[in-house]
Formats: sequence, structure tokens, C-alpha cells
Amino acid sequence: NAGVTQTPKFRILKIGQSMTLQCTQDMNHNYMYWYRQDPGMGLKLIYYSVGAGITDKGEVPNGYNVSRSTTEDFPLRLELAAPSQTSVYFCASSGLSSGSTDTQYFGPGTRLTVL
Amino acid sequence: DAKTTQPNSMESNEEEPVHLPCNHSTISGTDYIHWYRQLPSQGPEYVIHGLTSNVNNRMASLAIAEDRKSSTLILHRATLRDAAVYYCILRDRWGAQKLVFGQGTRLTINP
Repeated sequence: NAGVTQTPKFRILKIGQSMTLQCTQDMNHNYMYWYRQDPGMGLKLIYYSVGAGITDKGEVPNGYNVSRSTTEDFPLRLELAAPSQTSVYFCASSGLSSGSTDTQYFGPGTRLTVL
Repeated sequence: DAKTTQPNSMESNEEEPVHLPCNHSTISGTDYIHWYRQLPSQGPEYVIHGLTSNVNNRMASLAIAEDRKSSTLILHRATLRDAAVYYCILRDRWGAQKLVFGQGTRLTINP
């Protein structure tokens, strides 16, 4: 299993440009998540999905959109890039919703710079 | 979500045990204690979790205080590969799909 894969690894955007960060998992997990991590900080949840066709906002959803058309894929869309969106973005997946046993598996991250 | 408090940084020597503390004085009865770590330039990875009893796995041990207001992650014999940021996270048993990350403890291992 490849686990959770993310593309691209790095990207530089100009203010106002748009892009989609790709995330794919091959573990047949129902739950998928997008986090961002600013320098020296912990991760913050942007959006999450409990299954195909179902998404919900996390702590910092403004400026982002998501969709979940398949179990495997959970792309994150930035419509009008702003310097405040400069960050490292991590996608994660898990098989269960219970906090008792739910282990989240993270991708390697996408480093995004907005100039 | 109940909050956790960890030291910003710790330092240890290779092949010595490391004890990483976490305070969670407002923990509820249904909160599990999870530990994740983040190696440099990588995504976080799961380390261990527990509810009341001490737990062991191949990576580490988790010691939970009797009143559950604190816990300690124990690396029995640290290697250079254990240098990472360690996050202590509380997760409610019946929900909370999200992980709420604090700033964690940056562990440095000296050769």
C-alpha cells in the first residue's frame, strides 16, 4: 500500500491564482482530512469528509473548498490565493470515527508559497 | 476539546530513556490520550494511545497518572531517528473526528 499520497510536493502561486491540492489514499478509509501547518505551529483542520459525497468544515475553512466524489480522493481547492495561505498542507485518512481507536495516517505534505 | 500542556523542548542522549510529559487537568472520563510525532519535513505519525491503564507498543510506552490529569510518553532507548516534535492529544471516545494539535514538544537527541 502506498498509504496517503499528495501532489504536488511544492508549489509557488501568485496572489489571486487558483490551484487544487490532490490527495489519494489506497486503504479504503472512509474518513479523510485536510490540515494546514504554519511555521512552528501545530496542525489545524481545514475540512474533513466522513465518506463519498459528505464533507464538513474544520477550524479554518475560509478560502478553501473540497469535494469527495470517490472514497479514494479528497482534493482541496484554493480559489483566490492569498499570502496568508502560505503553509504546509497535510492530507490524512482514517478508517473509524471513534476517538478510542481511530488512527490517522498522514501524507507527506504539500509546501505552498503565495507571493 | 480539553487542552494539553507540554514543554516546548527537551533534549536527551542517544540510547538513553526519554520521558515526555503531558498535563491534561481538564480531561473528561471519555477522553483518550493520543500521542503523535512529526519527524522533520514529514507528516505526523501515530505513536500510541490509552485511556486509563499504561500501554506498551513497539515504539513506546504510555504511563497514565491515576487521576488521569497527566501522562508520560516513554521512549525506552532513544535513537537519532526519534528526534521529532511529539504531540499529546485528547480525543473524545464517541466523536471528535478532528485531531487538535498544540505546539508539542521538540525532542532533540544528542549522539
